[in-house]
Amino acid sequence: EVQLEQSGAEVKKSGETLKISCKGSGFSFTSYWIAWVRQMPGKGLEWMGTIYPGDSETRYSPSFEGQVTISADKSINTAYLKWHSLKASDSGMYFCATDAPDSSTWYTLGAWGQGTLVTVSS
Amino acid sequence: QSVLTQPPSVSGAPGQRVTISCTGSSSNIGADYDVHWYQHLPGAAPKLLIHANNNRASGVPVRFSGSKSGTSASLAITGLQAEDEADYYCQSYDSTISASLFGGGTTLTVL
Repeated sequence: EVQLEQSGAEVKKSGETLKISCKGSGFSFTSYWIAWVRQMPGKGLEWMGTIYPGDSETRYSPSFEGQVTISADKSINTAYLKWHSLKASDSGMYFCATDAPDSSTWYTLGAWGQGTLVTVSS
Repeated sequence: QSVLTQPPSVSGAPGQRVTISCTGSSSNIGADYDVHWYQHLPGAAPKLLIHANNNRASGVPVRFSGSKSGTSASLAITGLQAEDEADYYCQSYDSTISASLFGGGTTLTVL
């Protein structure tokens, strides 16, 4: 069974750095894309970007490029989302998701993590 | 405002049929990029319903179906049930921004 386990909720201050994680199991981690999706309070889903752990190719939404860094450590089947300087507007729920197991396109999100709630105070 | 436009809300009585539209343009749906549909219940992770325009994901009831034509796609739900009350999102790829994107989402209310 494809599973994505995300790190726990975070409470941070503006200007701080943060890195949240997403550990995959039940599939070949290096053969599928891992995407990050944001949901701000009361708003819709936003596709942030994705990484292919096999070769670390990353693709970002223009809205998020330069604002966050997506990375992966294939030796431990884990993807990351990092902020170098948080803002209050970064508060929200962050989901990781993968196109495993039945990838019809690289951006299909067939399995999701449980979400990581990030709260940033100003 | 999303490049993929969905109605903010739709509603229907139990047993009825509802459709949710997703209107794009020549740089996304109209460029023949596949459309996927997700169901998002409050407090849960989103769930893939339909992938590649009209293919039900594993375990999804046949009441859910998808279609695509021109620059638009649609999700249809027949035999509406109370448990279908959720937010629904379409997703595709846009060549102008070279990224995937979601529609704004549609809240389905079962009356």
